[in-house]
This record gives sequence, structure tokens and C-alpha cells, in this order.
Amino acid sequence: SYELTQAPSVSVSPGQTASITCSGDKLGNKYACWYQQKPGQSPVLVIYQNNKRPSGIPERFSGSNSGNTATLTISGTQAMDEADYYCQAWDSSTVVFGGGTKLTVL
Amino acid sequence: QITLKESGPTLMRPTQTLTLTCTFSGFSLSTSGVGVGWIRQPPGKALEWLALIYWDDDKRYSPSLKSRLTITKDTSKNQVVLKMTNMDPVDTATYYCVHSPGRYYNAFDIWGQGTMVTVSS
Repeated sequence: SYELTQAPSVSVSPGQTASITCSGDKLGNKYACWYQQKPGQSPVLVIYQNNKRPSGIPERFSGSNSGNTATLTISGTQAMDEADYYCQAWDSSTVVFGGGTKLTVL
Repeated sequence: QITLKESGPTLMRPTQTLTLTCTFSGFSLSTSGVGVGWIRQPPGKALEWLALIYWDDDKRYSPSLKSRLTITKDTSKNQVVLKMTNMDPVDTATYYCVHSPGRYYNAFDIWGQGTMVTVSS
């Protein structure tokens, strides 16, 4: 079965750029999307189709996908961006999630 | 405005069959391309996709859980129902109902608040 791999945790200082990666075999040939989940809340879609932002998502969130790696980039990271982030893709008509990355802003 | 709300039992006994209902508003499941799915999350763990049903009754299931899952829709009631057989304590999780704008979108843009299901004897 297809797998997406994420680092368990990433730390970033306020105002700096955070990069969260998601790896999978030939992931660049698929569409990747990203969800943000804060404690006690439902996930929120922040990037879809590799690099598109849904309405209401700040411009500091961006995405890319090439080769075997999709990347979520948060520019000018704010304290409110501290959360768990999950990547997701489709493979063989099924949905696959990564294991999630906890972003700490300190 | 699209909203989805999950309902169902909060406590299950092992071997029982779970029935969860997603009641939604703000869209129709008869609209071309639209889908509604289910995703779960055990406490402190990652998201796990379960099933998805499209407007044309096309159904997709997680390969690892396919034998236990059934997803159906009632377009007239704006509801999607998920059944999971043979519940086990490892199925303890928050279960989310999600909206898919279309197959091309490849993502779930709106999530319900989730409903916690505990499986315990």
C-alpha cells in the first residue's frame, strides 16, 4: 500500500520560514494537499492541488510538489500557526494521509 | 455555507456494528462531482481515511477496512451513513464527516466537528 512519510516534529522561530515535508513514491505525479489541525479542533484544509490556497487561508501558506516530496512552506510563521500538519494524496482511487508533523513555534 | 454534523453512539461494545450518520447542509449530494467521506483519528494519533461516496453513488473504501465498511447516501435527507462491523477497542477514535467538491479537487475542504466513539467492554 502507498505510504506518505512526515517528520514527527519541526520547530521554527516566530517570523522565520517553516518547511514541512511529505515523502512518497513518485508523489510529484499526484496532487498533494495539506491540513492544519489545532488541539481539540477539526482539521482545516490549507493547501490543495499542490499549491492552491482555499479562500481564507493566509498567503504565508504555500505548497510545492516534485519528485518524491511535497512541501508545505509557512513564511513569516506566527504563534497561531503552531499545530499538527497532515499531508494527503490519492493513490489507486484511495486516500492516503501522512503521519502528521507537529509544528512548534518557539 | 456548507456544514456537516456527525451523529451516532459514543460508546460501543466489542463485536457490535457502528452506525454513524452525517447530516449536511449547504450543498446537494445530487450535484455532479460532489462527494462525502469519513475520516477517523484515534486519540493522539494520525488521520485515517475510511470511505467516500460520490453524487453518482460511486463508493471508495480504505483497502485495510473495506470488508468492515459500508457507506450509503440518502440524497432526499441530505445524509450519508457509515456502517462499521465488528468494532474493537482499536477503533476508538473521533470520526469526521467531510465534503469533497469533486474528484478533480483531490482534497476535503469542509470537515464536521467530529464525534468521539469509544469501544470498550
